[in-house]
Amino acid sequence: NAGVTQTPKFQVLKTGQSMTLQCAQDMNHEYMSWYRQDPGMGLRLIHYSVGAGITDQGEVPNGYNVSRSTTEDFPLRLLSAAPSQTSVYFCATGLAGGNTDTQYFGPGTRLTVL
Amino acid sequence: RKEVEQDPGPFNVPEGATVAFNCTYSNSASQSFFWYRQDCRKEPKLLMSVYSSGNEDGRFTAQLNRASQYISLLIRDSKLSDSATYLCVVKSGGSNYKLTFGKGTLLTVNP
Repeated sequence: NAGVTQTPKFQVLKTGQSMTLQCAQDMNHEYMSWYRQDPGMGLRLIHYSVGAGITDQGEVPNGYNVSRSTTEDFPLRLLSAAPSQTSVYFCATGLAGGNTDTQYFGPGTRLTVL
Repeated sequence: RKEVEQDPGPFNVPEGATVAFNCTYSNSASQSFFWYRQDCRKEPKLLMSVYSSGNEDGRFTAQLNRASQYISLLIRDSKLSDSATYLCVVKSGGSNYKLTFGKGTLLTVNP
């Protein structure tokens, strides 16, 4: 069981470039989410999904898109990267409707936008 | 008032010390409460849930005061391996999924 995997681990982008952060899980969890973590700000929810085909916005969705075509994958797309998107991005999963108290986080992607 | 507020820290304590972290939350409809632990440059991991009656897991004790909207975490007999950032987390009423995280309190246990 790999749990929650994220790729890449590190990424440097130039302003205006686009990219996709990948998140995959093999725990058959319905709930998946993306957070960003910035110094002094804590973890903030970007987007989440309660199952394949269903996504919704979190606290800071602007500049990010998501889709959920399968249970296993929940990619996060940056359409036009900005320096304000420099952050550490964590994907998390849990059991929707059941015990969502425990969320399992991936190892994170460290993104720098120049 | 921020949704979840924690002691700003950092806390520096010697091995064997007892240390307490406090957290307040603003949404009185909040349903569930947790402490997560995050090691440096790692992902957060659930440390323990916080129940109304209070709960203990080894050297860790969590308490909830709904009337004061206050959560605490007590660590007894601190170990070097307890050094980490401790995140107070709240699941708000009406949502099965969304967690709100405090900014975290950094604990360093010194030999």
